[in-house]
Amino acid sequence: DGGITQSPKYLFRKEGQNVTLSCEQNLNHDAMYWYRQDPGQGLRLIYYSQIVNDFQKGDIAEGYSVSREKKESFPLTVTSAQKNPTAFYLCASSIRGQGKLFFGSGTQLSVL
Amino acid sequence: AQSVTQLDSHVSVSEGTPVLLRCNYSSSYSPSLFWYVQHPNKGLQLLLKYTSAATLVKGINGFEAEFKKSETSFHLTKPSAHMSDAAEYFCVVSGQGAQKLVFGQGTRLTINP
Repeated sequence: DGGITQSPKYLFRKEGQNVTLSCEQNLNHDAMYWYRQDPGQGLRLIYYSQIVNDFQKGDIAEGYSVSREKKESFPLTVTSAQKNPTAFYLCASSIRGQGKLFFGSGTQLSVL
Repeated sequence: AQSVTQLDSHVSVSEGTPVLLRCNYSSSYSPSLFWYVQHPNKGLQLLLKYTSAATLVKGINGFEAEFKKSETSFHLTKPSAHMSDAAEYFCVVSGQGAQKLVFGQGTRLTINP
């Protein structure tokens, strides 16, 4: 089945710790995105990548980092600099230049 | 710059009655507009999209939306609600260069038996 796989489904972060969220797609899409979802605030764009080895900051990139070494993979690291990391994180992909996004099932990150 | 406003944070209807979820947009360009649905603890799924063809757009699961340029609106409707329609709905606008979509705050739809 083609789609986007996010793991883990639930993740807990200790104070001062970096954690990495995984996102893999087998749709052969060039573009990939990371969104953060907080209750009542819709989705906010963290980072996006239009092509391998290139990525751009979104609206709320501070405290996050990404890499795009392979077309299929776009991991997100939540660093210790992100002081309020508790949220639902969604990864998406699309054909470059198209607005139709395909989403993963999300990762719920909580702080211990 | 693009923006989108969903006029209701929560809508509650009875099963079998019509659904109306309201969305107004602002865009400097000729916009593409989308409605996505999110069931609890899941990712989002595309319901329908408008890309300057027909102004009345039909989507999945019996939903449709009408693009009204004069009112800058893109309201989502369904003639008869089903229990499985209970979810969060997001209106989304994409301007020039589809790499950045702007999401509305979401409308939570509750269906009463």
